[in-house]
Amino acid sequence: EPEVTQTPSHQVTQMGQEVILRCVPISNHLYFYWYRQILGQKVEFLVSFYNNEISEKSEIFDDQFSVERPDGSNFTLKIRSTKLEDSAMYFCASRRDGSGANVLTFGAGSRLTVL
Amino acid sequence: DQQVKQNSPSLSVQEGRISILNCDYTNSMFDYFLWYKKYPAEGPTFLISISSIKDKNEDGRFTVFLNKSAKHLSLHIVPSQPGDSAVYFCAAYGTYKYIFGTGTRLKVLA
Repeated sequence: EPEVTQTPSHQVTQMGQEVILRCVPISNHLYFYWYRQILGQKVEFLVSFYNNEISEKSEIFDDQFSVERPDGSNFTLKIRSTKLEDSAMYFCASRRDGSGANVLTFGAGSRLTVL
Repeated sequence: DQQVKQNSPSLSVQEGRISILNCDYTNSMFDYFLWYKKYPAEGPTFLISISSIKDKNEDGRFTVFLNKSAKHLSLHIVPSQPGDSAVYFCAAYGTYKYIFGTGTRLKVLA
């Protein structure tokens, strides 16, 4: 069964460092998302991406965050200058088209620990 | 601004009995609702969904009920099995994004 692949599975970084989280969405999917989950809390929407541009973003997704689809397969989330409160599980997700009936398929997540 | 709420953080049920997980939402513009299951250290996995034009959808042991007037949906698992123990998130779709609830941790006791 096709799956969304995320790397790294766990990254530890110092506060103020830049981090890039990588995702390979399912190949025929067109809509891409990043969510995050701070330990014990809800899964929070960060950003959605379609046709090489951001279609929606949350108030969490401020100027320190950026997303990119540098080639036909990868979808990356960059955090420019990490803060302690960025420590969380970051989930990439994708779906085939714009209908809400399409299921969002998640990757296993990347755990980010900011020290 | 919690548009999707799951008011029960946890639920324990005996194996073989029914598990009922509840979810409330505030935005009447949501047009699809989904339930996801999440194990520790894994991403959420899709369980079942329902369109806003329906009031029930069934898939094996899982049934989702939607009450639009009350802005409430529920997931019924019958019979519950120990392998169902996980965190369950409801999600609502609208305006190009899915909004997730806070999750309910279900523990099925053998």
